Amino acid sequence: QQQVKQSPQSLIVQKGGISIINCAYENTAFDYFPWYQQFPGKGPALLIAIRPDVSEKKEGRFTISFNKSAKQFSLHIMDSQPGDSATYFCAASLYNTDKLIFGTGTRLQVFP
Amino acid sequence: DARVTQTPRDKVTEMGQEVTMRCQPILGHNTVFWYRQTMMQGLELLAYFRNRAPLDDSGMPKDRFSAEMPDATLATLKIQPSEPRDSAVYFCASGTVLGETQYFGPGTRLLVL
Repeated sequence: QQQVKQSPQSLIVQKGGISIINCAYENTAFDYFPWYQQFPGKGPALLIAIRPDVSEKKEGRFTISFNKSAKQFSLHIMDSQPGDSATYFCAASLYNTDKLIFGTGTRLQVFP
Repeated sequence: DARVTQTPRDKVTEMGQEVTMRCQPILGHNTVFWYRQTMMQGLELLAYFRNRAPLDDSGMPKDRFSAEMPDATLATLKIQPSEPRDSAVYFCASGTVLGETQYFGPGTRLLVL
């Protein structure tokens, strides 16, 4: 119940294409869903986050779509660029806690 | 530009040796997290502190790992004795209480031979 399942494990996209990464969860007490981006040799960094009271959040080329009834959320990267090549982690946290439960990560490669 | 710092960045040691990793959280942050990252297990939470008090260390092998915060500017993760299966990248992250965002350090890459 505490898990966050992420897919795919790896993704190859051509420059200009759309990258889509999916996550699913079981625990309906989760109330905060961030995405972290990690470049090789660096620590993860917050990219974008959403709460379950909205179905979509957009920041530039990055959009989170959230489906509360299906208990799924996804990251869409529009007009993918080689600089977006990184590992992406979805995560979830419980109400009133500091802890994040991370997905297993998706390695994205964007080819020119 | 406030950031989490970790030392050492790289550590190679032999099995059985003690390893100490250090983390300086961002000034003013009062939650600190230790994670281990491997290809097989992904990002695992080992321990976390709020206001220097340990709140959860259930992810940590208690017989060989220990985590402490001697003061608000220093968190340590110690492995004694180290084993080859401890080889991983260890990240420290800090944040504010219920502040949502965790700010990660650059990690310590540990190789135990």
